[in-house]
Amino acid sequence: NAGVTQTPKFQVLKTGQSMTLQCAQDMNHEYMSWYRQDPGMGLRLIHYSVGAGITDQGEVPNGYNVSRSTTEDFPLRLLSAAPSQTSVYFCASSYSRTYSNQPQHFGDGTRLSIL
Amino acid sequence: AQKITQTQPGMFVQEKEAVTLDCTYDTSDPSYGLFWYKQPSSGEMIFLIYQGSYDQQNATEGRYSLNFQKARKSANLVISASQLGDSAMYFCAMREGNQAGTALIFGKGTTLSVSS
Repeated sequence: NAGVTQTPKFQVLKTGQSMTLQCAQDMNHEYMSWYRQDPGMGLRLIHYSVGAGITDQGEVPNGYNVSRSTTEDFPLRLLSAAPSQTSVYFCASSYSRTYSNQPQHFGDGTRLSIL
Repeated sequence: AQKITQTQPGMFVQEKEAVTLDCTYDTSDPSYGLFWYKQPSSGEMIFLIYQGSYDQQNATEGRYSLNFQKARKSANLVISASQLGDSAMYFCAMREGNQAGTALIFGKGTTLSVSS
């Protein structure tokens, strides 16, 4: 019963490097999203997708890119890492149009440090 | 203006006592949902309880209940009979609209510490 799987769990990057955070879910959820969590800020939405081929920006999209080629996967790309992107990143998924009481299911997070 | 406000950065309670974590929200959408999540020190986000804006009764899930006061726009989480394992960060979140696939707006969280 995997749910939402994020890899890697930890990563250290140098400023300017690029990388992709992976997110996969096995619940056939249409909706997937990426949040970042910073101390004292709660979780803020970066990008989201309501289905394969459809993505949109959230509250803090700058410096990040996403694509959704399959229902299962929703990778988050850091184009040129900056120290301000040091954060914990969460991927979440849920059904889209129905079951309004259904919660979003979260992965375990990726702790990213940019030096 | 913040859409979700959690005014208590930290709360302290003894085992077996009840505790209320405050959450107020702001929306003009008549249809919305309110969620509480728990984040233990291990970091994962655990869903606790949900309240829909049209729900007539306050939600309950085991030791968790939601004190929903729609006119005051508050959705406080009540934990009865606190346990040491309840020590964690708690987030209140809101989804505007009536579809599950909509972004959650989170508060900044409240850290709960339970002592023996």
